[in-house]
This record gives sequence, structure tokens and C-alpha cells, in this order.
Amino acid sequence: EDKVVQSPLSLVVHEGDTVTLNCSYEVTNFRSLLWYKQEKKAPTFLFMLTSSGIEKKSGRLSSILDKKELFSILNITATQTGDSAVYLCAVEGLYNFNKFYFGSGTKLNVKP
Amino acid sequence: NAGVMQNPRHLVRRRGQEARLRCSPMKGHSHVYWYRQLPEEGLKFMVYLQKENIIDESGMPKERFSAEFPKEGPSILRIQQVVRGDSAAYFCASSPRADVAKNIQYFGAGTRLSVL
Repeated sequence: EDKVVQSPLSLVVHEGDTVTLNCSYEVTNFRSLLWYKQEKKAPTFLFMLTSSGIEKKSGRLSSILDKKELFSILNITATQTGDSAVYLCAVEGLYNFNKFYFGSGTKLNVKP
Repeated sequence: NAGVMQNPRHLVRRRGQEARLRCSPMKGHSHVYWYRQLPEEGLKFMVYLQKENIIDESGMPKERFSAEFPKEGPSILRIQQVVRGDSAAYFCASSPRADVAKNIQYFGAGTRLSVL
């Protein structure tokens, strides 16, 4: 059965800390892995990863994919209170059509 | 370029009533996905539609739930005879053609359904 597992489920840190969020997957016919940030509204797109070992970076956020070990990590350095959100990982499988599998998310709480 | 538009944002129904949730995809997007999210949980896939076609409805309950994406107008997720367990946030996402290299889904703000 195709599935995406995120860990930890929740995390509390203080401003300035660095955090690493994990996403492991078992999805047939992998096509891509996406990270989203969800505050109290629509999930917003962060990164799409398709190739192993190539880091994607945007400001204090970065992500990398390991297609051999079937996982991805999302790093946030120098965290700020505005980083508090649920971070969702989704994996796209390609069959006759595209199908996205979402993990249950990691809830990050950054305290001042 | 407007994003994915969902309405209503909040919907309150009594048990046994019908709920209709609307989603207008981003301009130029022809693929629509519906997800359900319970509190403290991730997004659960329900159905994937293209214009006038249901591509994958494997995540949708067999009874009371239906979805459509007509040639003209928004996609509709319809829940008949709602029960308390249907209370959740329902998100719609759209993407451009599925065969492009960057098949990114863009999400609407969701409809929060409360069943009394």
C-alpha cells in the first residue's frame, strides 16, 4: 500500500533554533515529492523535488531528497515565530494518472 | 491571476441536509483534486477530476458523496444526507496539465463544514 510518513508529529522549539523535518515514503512509480506549509488556511507550496541529492533552497528553508532510501528532509534554520505551521509532505505517483499521497504533517511551534 | 477559489468558506448544516462545496481552479488549470482534512490530521485524497471526467474517485465514500467538474463552471463536491462525521475541512487543489514536469498542486482556502 502506498503511504507517506512524516516525523515527528509535532515539535516545539525556540526562535533561532534549527529544525529538521522528515518524510519517508513508499509510493509506486514515484514521480516527485512536494513540501507544503499550512497555517490556518490553504497549504502553500514550498518545494518540489524530483532528483536525489540536489538541495533546493529558499531563504532559511532547504530540502533534499534521497530516492534510494526513500525519504526527504526539510530544514529550517534560525527559526522565527512565523515559521509556526503544519508542514505537509506529498508524494506524486504516476500511474495512468497522477496521484498525490499526503503525510499527516509535522506541527511546528516556534516560541519567542 | 486569481488563485484557487472555494466557497463557501464556512458551511453549517443539520444532519440529513445536503452540502454543496464549490471550487474554481486557477486560470489555465484543468485538473481538480478534492481532499478532506480532520483536525490534527493530514490531507486525505478524495477525488481527482478533469473537465467532464472523473479520473480517480478511490478516496471518496461510495454513498452520499459525489463530485463533478462540468465543462462550464466550478467543480462541485456534493454530500447528501450529511452526518456529524462529515464535519471537516474540505480542500480543493488545481494543477495544470498532468504531463508537465512541474505538476504542482495549488490549494484553495478550504470549506469548513460543520454538521449539527
